[in-house]
Amino acid sequence: GNSVTQMEGPVTLSEEAFLTINCTYTATGYPSLFWYVQYPGEGLQLLLKATKADDKGSNKGFEATYRKETTSFHLEKGSVQVSDSAVYFCALSGGGATNKLIFGTGTLLAVQP
Amino acid sequence: DAGITQSPRYKITETGRQVTLMCHQTWSHSYMFWYRQDLGHGLRLIYYSAAADITDKGEVPDGYVVSRSKTENFPLTLESATRSQTSVYFCASSDFRTVNQPQHFGDGTRLSIL
Repeated sequence: GNSVTQMEGPVTLSEEAFLTINCTYTATGYPSLFWYVQYPGEGLQLLLKATKADDKGSNKGFEATYRKETTSFHLEKGSVQVSDSAVYFCALSGGGATNKLIFGTGTLLAVQP
Repeated sequence: DAGITQSPRYKITETGRQVTLMCHQTWSHSYMFWYRQDLGHGLRLIYYSAAADITDKGEVPDGYVVSRSKTENFPLTLESATRSQTSVYFCASSDFRTVNQPQHFGDGTRLSIL
């Protein structure tokens, strides 16, 4: 079945460092891919998405490219800020007409000043 | 304000009790979802609903009951709570008009079962 694997955390970086959080997936068909962010005490918010191969999603300085050949959707940011500290979830659409999502286990990012 | 709201935000109860978590959305989204979030498991789907009066099981439905008599409400009931159901519960909704739409989440209910 469909699944998502993302790197385990926590990831600890200094402010202005480069961020990569790896995400790979297994899926049949052509799912859409998503990154969600969860700030402390809040629900998940959509960060970016890509709906087909080679699409690049971007938002708030974060980027991720849908790579079908490597089944990956790695999240990157060139210069992180303390305010980026959160848990990041990679997800893929379950396919079909149900709008279900399958989530990775989440990666905690801690950015230190 | 438009959005998705969950209540209560925090709940403590005892094993064997019935507890209902509420979820209300104002977008008229067709799809609604219930997840539980546990360390090491990410989010796991409990139940979902494609429309009023249409519900279906997700990955971990045992011990939970849902109903959807109105489009905007999707309550989740634990009929006889167990300690293993201690978790953070999130409700989400999404539009039906195109597939692969993002889901919009509430702020969660932190449930502790003693």
